[in-house]
Amino acid sequence: EVQLVESGGDLVQPGRSLRLSCTVSGFTFGDYAMSWVRQAPGKGLEWVSFIRTKAYGGTTEYAASVKGRFIISRDDSKSIAYLQMNSLKTEDTAVYYCSRIIPGTTSFDPWGQGTLVTVSS
Amino acid sequence: QSALTQPASVSGSPGQSITISCTGTSSDVGGYNYVSWYQQHPGKVPKLMIYDVTNRPSGVSNRFSGSKSGNTASLTISGLQAEDEADYYCSSYTSSSTVVFGGGTKVTVL
Repeated sequence: EVQLVESGGDLVQPGRSLRLSCTVSGFTFGDYAMSWVRQAPGKGLEWVSFIRTKAYGGTTEYAASVKGRFIISRDDSKSIAYLQMNSLKTEDTAVYYCSRIIPGTTSFDPWGQGTLVTVSS
Repeated sequence: QSALTQPASVSGSPGQSITISCTGTSSDVGGYNYVSWYQQHPGKVPKLMIYDVTNRPSGVSNRFSGSKSGNTASLTISGLQAEDEADYYCSSYTSSSTVVFGGGTKVTVL
């Protein structure tokens, strides 16, 4: 069974950093691009970032709202995707979901259960 | 990158068909066949319903179908059922190599 489990969400002050992890099982992690999507309380979905597979250089893309502050990475040996979040702002408060990207598409399936990040003083 | 435009709400009676639109630009929806649709019930995780404009993942009911014309993609739900009441989001790949979501549509079954 394919599973994605996010962790690392917490209450942090503005300007601080936090690292989220997405631990996967049930598939060959290295064969899939991975993505992070967030959802602020009561709001819609917002794409955050994705990282391609090593076969495609492991290159990364970011939403304008997080570019320069967030860094996505992957450890294929541990089957974990990370999202390093720096210089956090109150507007980064959201549930952060990780998801697997269907090869050859930009579709996210499945999704993890999400981890809550609250940025507040 | 601006969010794709979806109607805030759509409603229908059981058994009816409804269509949700998702309007973008030639730099996203109109430029690529990489439109997806997600269903999200309250407090639940989003679920992929349609990918690459028209494709249904295994396990998704054939009552859900997708299409695209120009810069507007559409999700049609046929034979509307109570369990279809949820929020629906479209997404598209963009010319900036990013992904953009729509603002979401709340579907109500009357």
